[in-house]
Amino acid sequence: GAVVSQHPSRVICKSGTSVKIECRSLDFQATTMFWYRQFPKQSLMLMATSNEGSKATYEQGVEKDKFLINHASLTLSTLTVTSAHPEDSSFYICSARVKSGGAGELFFGEGSRLTVL
Amino acid sequence: GENVEQHPSTLSVQEGDSAVIKCTYSDSASNYFPWYKQELGKRPQLIIDIRSNVGEKKDQRIAVTLNKTAKHFSLHITETQPEDSAVYFCASYPGGTALIFGKGTTLSVSS
Repeated sequence: GAVVSQHPSRVICKSGTSVKIECRSLDFQATTMFWYRQFPKQSLMLMATSNEGSKATYEQGVEKDKFLINHASLTLSTLTVTSAHPEDSSFYICSARVKSGGAGELFFGEGSRLTVL
Repeated sequence: GENVEQHPSTLSVQEGDSAVIKCTYSDSASNYFPWYKQELGKRPQLIIDIRSNVGEKKDQRIAVTLNKTAKHFSLHITETQPEDSAVYFCASYPGGTALIFGKGTTLSVSS
């Protein structure tokens, strides 16, 4: 299957700092990537849809100024958590679909566990 | 928007028994229904999926059924093994781009 790589896998930061998470599609081009957030023992909540070359589409309740998404190339999307606070601590997972548009298998990155002290 | 309900939230079975997890969805335009397995601290992995033009699909010990009229689909695991223990998520694709996930079912298989 297609490979999606996410980095870093774990990050610990102080409150008030910003953290950048990278999501790369290694063997395919992804015009669209999706960012999900997962709290312990909970489901995957869609945060935003990242579109190559255009602004991301954020889900209701997700602060776009807080969670900056950049999809500058067909293989890379980044999520920056700005001015992180302890409540931002979570597991962030990116995903991408090989076929643009339409239904199809979603491939996930390894996930990034963010801990804000 | 699409809403996916998943039941039960936890399921405990004995090794060798069958396990069934059920999901309902709200958007009649949804046409793709995957199931993902997630082990602790790892990424979700697709285990089986079904499209709206099919009523049932089977892959060895795993099967999925879809009832479009009732808007529900189910995951069936037969002859469960301890390595089947994980969190299972159903999802629905209502058109557009993103999958919408259910809340997950924690399956525990005891030997």
